[in-house]
Amino acid sequence: GAGVSQSPSNKVTEKGKDVELRCDPISGHTALYWYRQSLGQGLEFLIYFQGNSAPDKSGLPSDRFSAERTGGSVSTLTIQRTQQEDSAVYLCASSLAGARPEQYFGPGTRLTVT
Amino acid sequence: ILNVEQSPQSLHVQEGDSTNFTCSFPSSNFYALHWYRWETAKSPEALFVMTLNGDEKKKGRISATLNTKEGYSYLYIKGSQPEDSATYLCASTGGGADGLTFGKGTHLIIQP
Repeated sequence: GAGVSQSPSNKVTEKGKDVELRCDPISGHTALYWYRQSLGQGLEFLIYFQGNSAPDKSGLPSDRFSAERTGGSVSTLTIQRTQQEDSAVYLCASSLAGARPEQYFGPGTRLTVT
Repeated sequence: ILNVEQSPQSLHVQEGDSTNFTCSFPSSNFYALHWYRWETAKSPEALFVMTLNGDEKKKGRISATLNTKEGYSYLYIKGSQPEDSATYLCASTGGGADGLTFGKGTHLIIQP
């Protein structure tokens, strides 16, 4: 079956612009996660959606970052007024509900802020 | 906040040799330990999810062990092959957020 897809695969934007990154999870997966990997760093948790529950936003680095998940499926991560330190690979993952199941990752969006 | 450490940061191994590397994590408030393989230009791929102390899992030539009391996990690769070249990530999750806390990974290069 189809895996997690993300778009765009690459995004170059100017400092101060807003960007939207999209994630299509695996059909039937109720949990969706956003992570990012900055240069030289490990994967950093950003936000987690589970079904209709309020999202866990504890990993969002600033209020310039927000995410939504419409209809329990597609998710959009929005970064407002981008800064150079936002440059990273942004990864989305989805999983089935239950006790800490394995997460299936998308190919990521490489964001470069110039 | 969990701190997950992996060592070594990078590793060069001759084809056919066996190798192993380490993931350490806080043993308090532990729930599960994940191992992923991340090849260049691909998505991270789940290898194992482990929750029980003393657990050992195996997938082909790759296996992993878990010690939750002392907070470490080992990943073993037997008879390394060039296709094993990748970054191996471990991640831990505790009783709070369900997002994973990742280590920085071990970058493995298999030399023919």
